[in-house]
Amino acid sequence: DTGVSQNPRHKITKRGQNVTFRCDPISEHNRLYWYRQTLGQGPEFLTYFQNEAQLEKSRLLSDRFSAERPKGSFSTLEIQRTEQGDSAMYLCASSSIISPLHFGNGTRLTVT
Amino acid sequence: ELKVEQNPLFLSMQEGKNYTIYCNYSTTSDRLYWYRQDPGKSLESLFVLLSNGAVKQEGRLMASLDTKARLSTLHITAAVHDLSATYFCAVDATGTASKLTFGTGTRLQVTL
Repeated sequence: DTGVSQNPRHKITKRGQNVTFRCDPISEHNRLYWYRQTLGQGPEFLTYFQNEAQLEKSRLLSDRFSAERPKGSFSTLEIQRTEQGDSAMYLCASSSIISPLHFGNGTRLTVT
Repeated sequence: ELKVEQNPLFLSMQEGKNYTIYCNYSTTSDRLYWYRQDPGKSLESLFVLLSNGAVKQEGRLMASLDTKARLSTLHITAAVHDLSATYFCAVDATGTASKLTFGTGTRLQVTL
């Protein structure tokens, strides 16, 4: 098991462009989470899936943000019309019902 | 809204010394997590505390939870340089681990 995998590791985009990130969780984990972390801060919750169902969404997740987990395996996080304030590290995590969250290495987004 | 506060935010300590990091939270919860993050890396799970009075120890780190005081501590014994990192506590107020609220982190620097 290679852990939680996120792609790409880095993304630089111009303001107004759309970006999509991918997360592959640990295979036996049915729970998947997206968090956002800015410099010097703790991770902030964005959304949570159990299998393919999106059960929790943060108020941080504006209408420009959408996440999917179509078959209960990998997940994508899309940001439309990016803004400079979206620059952050986007972290994906997965867990089973009895395990703590296992985090991936994140996707660092820079919006210029 | 759940608030999670850590102190100190920054801690510089000499090798061999002992110190405690505090994590206070604002709402009832009996599930608390401690994570470690090295610069540029993702978060590594250290401890999961699931009940009042829970105490977990791993090497030079010991974590405890007092749910009545809404307080968790991370005690460092005889610090070594390898412990230099940022430490986060995270509180689960849902009871289902569907959403964690992280503290702002404590940056620990252990000097020779």
